[in-house]
Order: sequence, then C-alpha cells, then structure tokens
Amino acid sequence: AQTVTQSQPEMSVQEAETVTLSCTYDTSESDYYLFWYKQPPSRQMILVIRQEAYKQQNATENRFSVNFQKAAKSFSLKISDSQLGDAAMYFCAYRSGNQGGSEKLVFGKGTKLTVNP
Amino acid sequence: GAVVSQHPSRVICKSGTSVKIECRSLDFQATTMFWYRQFPKQSLMLMATSNEGSKATYEQGVEKDKFLINHASLTLSTLTVTSAHPEDSSFYICSASAGFYNEQFFGPGTRLTVL
Repeated sequence: AQTVTQSQPEMSVQEAETVTLSCTYDTSESDYYLFWYKQPPSRQMILVIRQEAYKQQNATENRFSVNFQKAAKSFSLKISDSQLGDAAMYFCAYRSGNQGGSEKLVFGKGTKLTVNP
Repeated sequence: GAVVSQHPSRVICKSGTSVKIECRSLDFQATTMFWYRQFPKQSLMLMATSNEGSKATYEQGVEKDKFLINHASLTLSTLTVTSAHPEDSSFYICSASAGFYNEQFFGPGTRLTVL
C-alpha cells in the first residue's frame, strides 16, 4: 500500500520569504500523480499543484513550485514570496496513475503553515 | 468550473437520529464521488468511494450500515449517518472527480455535531 509522510507538523515563515514543505512517499508503482492541497481555516480543500510522475520537469504554479525527486520518492513544495493568505494546512497526496487503478487519494498528515507579518 | 457543493454546512442533531448530507457537482458530471471524514487537526480519512448507479465501496473499518451512501445521479451523492451518536461528530467532506486527470474537486464540508 502507498504511504505519504509529511515530517513537519508545523512550519512558519516571514511574509515575503520562501518556505519549503517536505513530503516523501512510498510506492511500487511507476505511474502516479502527486498533489499538494491547501486547507485554509475555512476548511475548503484547494488544489495547489499537481505533478505527473512521468514528467521530469518540476511543476510550477505562480509562486508555488515543487522539487520532485522520483528516485528518492520526495515531493517538496516551495512557496516563494509568502503571503498572509498562504497560511493554512498543506496536505501532500498520492494517487495511482495506472489505468483502471484506484482513483483514491492517499494523504499525508499535513503541515500547518503560519505566515508572520 | 468544477464546483462541488455540500448541504448542509452545519447540522446539529440528537443522539439516535439520522442525518443526510448532500454532495452535488454543480457544473460537471461526476461518475465517482468520495466521502471523507476529518477530525480536528488531522488529515482526511477516506470513508468510501461512490460510483453512480452502483454500490459504494467502503474503506476498511467503516460501517456501511451506519454510513449509507447513495449516488443516484451523475451530480448527486448523499451520505446518511444513521442512528448518530456523539462519536460520529466530525467534519465530513465530499469530493467529485472530473477532467483529464480525474482530479478530485472538494466540497466545502459539513460539520456534524451529535448531542
């Protein structure tokens, strides 16, 4: 079974600075997707960024980028120019990419990010 | 696009009663919907996967007779918590998958409090 580990229960960053959230995963599959979700105090889950395992290029969405190291099974999220609105719980998630495979998301335990003004 | 709604957003009920939570995909059709439970300061725990027109697939340890799921149409799935007890108090979130990546889009959640 796949597992996702987020080793940082809490992180803090100064506004306008950069922060990196860690995520590692374990799988025997070769085709899969990795996601970072944000859950602000409203508790609405919001997709931040997606990475396909077959793509070597790291995904980027504006101030959010990932460092995807497939061999190391590592998938960290970098937030640049942090803003107060970035304060939230961040969840790393895995999903099988095998055709006919499960669409279930496997979530990590989350990292609470605090942004200090 | 890809908006998912849940109703109600909050519900308080007495122990022993049943509560129904609706999950709707507003601007797309979803063949698969998912129901999660989230305890305070914890991650999302998948309860079941709901496919339109067929029985839901429950995760290990989830009582299917207590958490009834009905996916009657491509835009609506319901979760009924039967004979609710205080330990069922939690935050329930649904999601619906769509798009090229079968990406999950999440509803805003329902806070259930059982007195």
